Amino acid sequence: NAGVTQTPKFQVLKTGQSMTLQCAQDMNHNSMYWYRQDPGMGLRLIYYSASEGTTDKGEVPNGYNVSRLNKREFSLRLESAAPSQTSVYFCASSHLTGGQPQHFGDGTRLSIL
Amino acid sequence: QKEVEQNSGPLSVPEGAIASLNCTYSDRGSQSFFWYRQYSGKSPELIMFIYSNGDKEDGRFTAQLNKASQYVSLLIRDSQPSDSATYLCAVLSGNTPLVFGKGTRLSVIA
Repeated sequence: NAGVTQTPKFQVLKTGQSMTLQCAQDMNHNSMYWYRQDPGMGLRLIYYSASEGTTDKGEVPNGYNVSRLNKREFSLRLESAAPSQTSVYFCASSHLTGGQPQHFGDGTRLSIL
Repeated sequence: QKEVEQNSGPLSVPEGAIASLNCTYSDRGSQSFFWYRQYSGKSPELIMFIYSNGDKEDGRFTAQLNKASQYVSLLIRDSQPSDSATYLCAVLSGNTPLVFGKGTRLSVIA
């Protein structure tokens, strides 16, 4: 029972490079979320998907795009990485539509040079 | 902008004592309140939620909610060194996504 799986766990990028963070959940949850966590800043919502086929912006969406590929998968794309996007990224899911995240992935530690 | 405020800590308590973690929120219409625990280098985990005024107990944990004063607290009885972590308060209002506080770091000293 994997729960929420994020890949990769670590990544170093150069400014301007692009990459996609992958997230998959095996709990048949409706809602999925992408957060970033910076020192002293708590968790900030980037994008969320309340149900398959819908996505909405969160608090800090600039510089990111998302795709809810199916009910299981929710990916986060950085089109042109910037040093300000250096952070730890967490994917989360919830069986509630638009409710609070219940299960988090292990996180992706992303450094942009 | 809906805000959730927490003292960043660290809050240091001796083993066996009661740890009291506090959180205030700005949106008077907030309906649901959550506490997450995050160990260093790990992901958050949901440990408590409360919807109604008063106390809600789960093992050594008690969540307290006072909507009139717009605060929610988490009490940890018989604190253990394994309780040392950052505790995140989060608030849900209507159809808007959950808003997290910045967290309080708790250190339980053996």
